[in-house]
Amino acid sequence: AQKITQTQPGMFVQEKEAVTLDCTYDTSDPSYGLFWYKQPSSGEMIFLIYQGSYDQQNATEGRYSLNFQKARKSANLVISASQLGDSAMYFCAMREVITGNQFYFGTGTSLTVIP
Amino acid sequence: DVKVTQSSRYLVKRTGEKVFLECVQDMDHENMFWYRQDPGLGLRLIYFSYDVKMKEKGDIPEGYSVSREKKERFSLILESASTNQTSMYLCASSLGGEGTGELFFGEGSRLTVL
Repeated sequence: AQKITQTQPGMFVQEKEAVTLDCTYDTSDPSYGLFWYKQPSSGEMIFLIYQGSYDQQNATEGRYSLNFQKARKSANLVISASQLGDSAMYFCAMREVITGNQFYFGTGTSLTVIP
Repeated sequence: DVKVTQSSRYLVKRTGEKVFLECVQDMDHENMFWYRQDPGLGLRLIYFSYDVKMKEKGDIPEGYSVSREKKERFSLILESASTNQTSMYLCASSLGGEGTGELFFGEGSRLTVL
């Protein structure tokens, strides 16, 4: 079974609008971390936001927020007020303690911001 | 700032050649990882290491080996390169411990095997 599932291969959003990128995960480990990374066309992987499995509140970092629904095992990324520079691939990832701190990645969502 | 440096951004090799991809991190991280990235498949873990001389297989270790003789250096070795190993290779590192600590990535090494 896939550890991380991203069901949206590509998304479009109008500049200044908000967009939600979906991510679901599968783990039996009570202690895990969820991450989102951005990969622009230049190729570098940029860490955006982190949510711990025991965190009660949703994580926020500037225009990024993580909609963490533990019972549903979902960790959607919300980008508010989209900018042209947000056009990139976005990867959801999970770190499991039970597997020795392995990180598992989804297949990514390609986001295009339209002017 | 954490820096993860991969020795080569672009490599072109011939089938059957031995290929070394080097990765060095400067933040004393315990964990180091090698991923390959292919379109539509995301990042797939090849090997990881949580300590010097320790290594664990990831999801796709076949055709690869690794070496970690020093804490800061993690090498990926393709003993006999094949065309299906043409890919982007990403090295990453992270702190040890539970539940926290993001991965820091290198810039990637794009390998083409002819």
